[in-house]
Amino acid sequence: QKEVEQDPGPLSVPEGAIVSLNCTYSNSAFQYFMWYRQYSRKGPELLMYTYSSGNKEDGRFTAQVDKSSKYISLFIRDSQPSDSATYLCAMSERSTLTFGKGTMLLVSP
Amino acid sequence: DADVTQTPRNRITKTGKRIMLECSQTKGHDRMYWYRQDPGLGLRLIYYSFDVKDINKGEISDGYSVSRQAQAKFSLSLESAIPNQTALYFCATSDPMTGRETQYFGPGTRLLVL
Repeated sequence: QKEVEQDPGPLSVPEGAIVSLNCTYSNSAFQYFMWYRQYSRKGPELLMYTYSSGNKEDGRFTAQVDKSSKYISLFIRDSQPSDSATYLCAMSERSTLTFGKGTMLLVSP
Repeated sequence: DADVTQTPRNRITKTGKRIMLECSQTKGHDRMYWYRQDPGLGLRLIYYSFDVKDINKGEISDGYSVSRQAQAKFSLSLESAIPNQTALYFCATSDPMTGRETQYFGPGTRLLVL
């Protein structure tokens, strides 16, 4: 079993839809949880960072962590064509990150 | 100016050649990392360095070596390139003083080994 599982997609939605992206993990030692956004042919950019279980909101983005279920989510409200990208979840242990394989999101106008 | 820069951005080389990828950062971060990204396999850690005197192997270090020339510079070398090292390579940095583990990535180097 891989440490971090993430559906590769692609996930196609119309503009304005609410998007839910998810990762599951098996290593209970993971302490910090992040979401990165990667546009085609670009480096990953940090989108959201969370430490504890619960929700964290930043504009149209909400990150959710459930440590008891080993499950994290990223919600995007009012999705825009500019949100079309690959979203990578990442989790840290002892100062290194383990990444999910990424979910490709396509938002059509 | 970008905080994390990588050179070259694109490189084509032949099997058996030695190649060096370079990373420089102006963020003042102590920690630097090298990853490769392959379709279907995601980002995998090759080497990382917590300071100039500290070098650690990552998940897939075989066939690679690194040099931390200064706090701001971290180079990745392929001593004898092979076709399955064709990939997108990323450098990243992090600052342990924040108490977080967030990493900041460069724009990547696209490497093709023929």
